[in-house]
Amino acid sequence: AQKVTQAQTEISVVEKEDVTLDCVYETRDTTYYLFWYKQPPSGELVFLIRRNSFDEQNEISGRYSWNFQKSTSSFNFTITASQVVDSAVYFCALSDRAGGTSYGKLTFGQGTILTVHP
Amino acid sequence: NAGVMQNPRHLVRRRGQEARLRCSPMKGHSHVYWYRQLPEEGLKFMVYLQKENIIDESGMPKERFSAEFPKEGPSILRIQQVVRGDSAAYFCASSPLAVSSYEQYFGPGTRLTVT
Repeated sequence: AQKVTQAQTEISVVEKEDVTLDCVYETRDTTYYLFWYKQPPSGELVFLIRRNSFDEQNEISGRYSWNFQKSTSSFNFTITASQVVDSAVYFCALSDRAGGTSYGKLTFGQGTILTVHP
Repeated sequence: NAGVMQNPRHLVRRRGQEARLRCSPMKGHSHVYWYRQLPEEGLKFMVYLQKENIIDESGMPKERFSAEFPKEGPSILRIQQVVRGDSAAYFCASSPLAVSSYEQYFGPGTRLTVT
């Protein structure tokens, strides 16, 4: 069975601090995908990134960066120079490929509540 | 190209009533997933449907819940005789026809409150 663990329930930082959100996953599949979603107070889910299991390159997008380490089954997310607008719940999720045994459905972590104070 | 649409956005029902949640996938998408987010929890998979077929309902409660995705029209998640524990946000996601696709596009969710 697939499992995603986000050990940090809540994180509170002051604006301009860097913050890293941890994500550890478990899967028996050799081909899988990892995702991060943001859920702002308005409630919708905002897609941030998708990474496949064969691509271990780190990725940077503006103030966001992701560190994928297959050896430790981790896919951590760092926000550099955090801003108040980054305050949200962040979810890490795992999926096998569509057509695999779980039809591509997503397994989500419990989420990390990030609060950025001015 | 319109995104995934869900309606209503907010739904209030009294205990024992029925709730019907609708999801219109993106144009050209024939795969729909429903997820439930209980208060202060992550999203949990409920059911995966293709047009006119339920493929995987392993996450759906055995009683009172049903889902359909007819040939024409939106996908419907139906909850009969709602109870307070059904209060949650219900999200649907759609993906394209191709089997190898792995992208899911989420709707804005329906927030169900049972009083």
